Amino acid sequence: EIVLTQSPLTLSLSPGEKATLSCRASQSVTNQLAWYQQKPGQAPRLLIYDASNRATGIPARFSGSGSGTDFTLTISSLEPEDFALYYCQQRSKWPITFGQGTRLEIK
Amino acid sequence: EVQLLESGGGSVQPGGSLTLSCVASGFTFSSDVMNWVRQAPGKGLEWVSSIRGDSGTTYYADSVKGRFTISRDNSKNTLYLQMRILRAEDTAIYYCASRGPNWGPFDPWGQGALVTVSS
Repeated sequence: EIVLTQSPLTLSLSPGEKATLSCRASQSVTNQLAWYQQKPGQAPRLLIYDASNRATGIPARFSGSGSGTDFTLTISSLEPEDFALYYCQQRSKWPITFGQGTRLEIK
Repeated sequence: EVQLLESGGGSVQPGGSLTLSCVASGFTFSSDVMNWVRQAPGKGLEWVSSIRGDSGTTYYADSVKGRFTISRDNSKNTLYLQMRILRAEDTAIYYCASRGPNWGPFDPWGQGALVTVSS
């Protein structure tokens, strides 16, 4: 199975700052990687698919990059509502796997 | 509006059975690959099972293979997860989610159904 390792596990930043979240795959997933945001008590929400495509309705401050084994989710200028959990997920090979998550918290 | 609504969650003893349902609306359910993803309390996301639009192909995580069965009724826009021989480690919120017609990312997601396995 493909293991996705996210870093850091916790990121403490202030509103207005730039956030950079990393996801590393144990083998190539080409560009078949997605990012999700999850807030307490809510279902995950798709942010980015195929490594760099924003999902419908996702603000432009969210961007994704990478291919192969190394991927990045960038939030250019943090808004208060962006502090949440973020997961990466690959669909290149079965079984589908998720990273362990990065908690983005207010500093 | 695209919507997925799960039901059927609850408490069950180890070794017991439970069936979850997920009713879809606002999109062409019969075309989409449908899925179950779970999240144990305070833990991350774990893919559980997927089923193709025509019910022809199913996939399972090793952790549930042989115990869980995914199925769908396209005439009722409903996805099911039959869970048997439940274990404490199956305790989780179970989300249904679509992957569209082409095995894309999970989008949208339902609100989840809590399954608690405890004696």
